[in-house]
Amino acid sequence: NAGVMQNPRHLVRRRGQEARLRCSPMKGHSHVYWYRQLPEEGLKFMVYLQKENIIDESGMPKERFSAEFPKEGPSILRIQQVVRGDSAAYFCASSPQGGNQPQHFGDGTRLSIL
Amino acid sequence: RKEVEQDPGPFNVPEGATVAFNCTYSNSASQSFFWYRQDCRKEPKLLMSVYSSGNEDGRFTAQLNRASQYISLLIRDSKLSDSATYLCVVNKASGAGSYQLTFGKGTKLSVIP
Repeated sequence: NAGVMQNPRHLVRRRGQEARLRCSPMKGHSHVYWYRQLPEEGLKFMVYLQKENIIDESGMPKERFSAEFPKEGPSILRIQQVVRGDSAAYFCASSPQGGNQPQHFGDGTRLSIL
Repeated sequence: RKEVEQDPGPFNVPEGATVAFNCTYSNSASQSFFWYRQDCRKEPKLLMSVYSSGNEDGRFTAQLNRASQYISLLIRDSKLSDSATYLCVVNKASGAGSYQLTFGKGTKLSVIP
């Protein structure tokens, strides 16, 4: 499967725990974007990364959320000390270049906080 | 005003009908435009890019009017498999070489046998 790969598909955490969401972009894509979709809401941009660089994190909450895209391995979205309001679907997208290119999405990770 | 606004629907149409979705966007600096579809509990999938000259892909026709900041999608001869939520998506520069996709909340379409 050459598409955007996200794992896990479903993640359950208790309040206060940490959640780690992983995303491997499509082959040949070096630009990764994370979006969050709350129930009955549209997707909201969170962060845009290239290898080893955060380009735009204007959509990320200031606390508890962080993202990285290391030289080797997948991009990671990390949520510390999760709260009930973090329950959402988190989608990763990738594109071969930045700019106006369409983005291709992974299946998403559905995070549930107990 | 929301950055991207769509009629939430739902639109319930019989098979074979023609259905039109409308979308308006507020940021005149927006640079590229797309329609995505999203099936229930699935990821958004790119349906088509939208160009000022209008573009067609089989039964789907998209139009963009930059002056009125309006985007449309027309589906002809609708099929059961067209049932999904249709997302109007706008790409704008957000500084430092970054572009952001801004999504509408989507219009839900149900095609009925």
